[in-house]
Amino acid sequence: GAVVSQHPSRVICKSGTSVKIECRSLDFQATTMFWYRQFPKQSLMLMATSNEGSKATYEQGVEKDKFLINHASLTLSTLTVTSAHPEDSSFYICSAPGTGFTSMSYTFGSGTRLTVV
Amino acid sequence: DAKTTQPTSMDCAEGRAANLPCNHSTISGNEYVYWYRQIHSQGPQYIIHGLKNNETNEMASLIITEDRKSSTLILPHATLRDTAVYYCIVRVLVHDMRFGAGTRLTVKP
Repeated sequence: GAVVSQHPSRVICKSGTSVKIECRSLDFQATTMFWYRQFPKQSLMLMATSNEGSKATYEQGVEKDKFLINHASLTLSTLTVTSAHPEDSSFYICSAPGTGFTSMSYTFGSGTRLTVV
Repeated sequence: DAKTTQPTSMDCAEGRAANLPCNHSTISGNEYVYWYRQIHSQGPQYIIHGLKNNETNEMASLIITEDRKSSTLILPHATLRDTAVYYCIVRVLVHDMRFGAGTRLTVKP
């Protein structure tokens, strides 16, 4: 089935630095990917929709200048948390629609736990 | 989008069937019912989806009422590894998935 690989799985960074998270679709192409954020004991919140070759669409309240999304190829989307602060510490998850047999479902990455110190 | 209502938590004995309900009384005709689950500190996992008919796969069964206002996910023989948060999502095809609070299922020995 469709697999989405997310990297890194965990990252610790200092306040003020930037962190890049990669999301790759393995063995299938994804023109659209989705980025979520999940705080402890809360549900997933959609942050933005990443579109290959065009600008991402951000949900209301999500700062596009802080969470930079790049979807330069059909298999890779990146989320860069710029000038990270402790309140950005969270679990970030990407997903992509499947293809073929799995085209009616969405495959999720394993998530990236970001800790800003 | 149709809103879903799920119980906050449920317990189930290992080896027994787990029946997880979901209400979606405002569902529209072109919206599907999807179920995902999230095991602690992992990304969500697709379980099953359906439109009108009941569906079954190797993981679970999905029972949708005739009026489509509610559904039930059935895990026929729950194991400890099925302990997770289960999300019922109603969505038009090829749209982003938006998650509610879900049901925290605890399978007990």
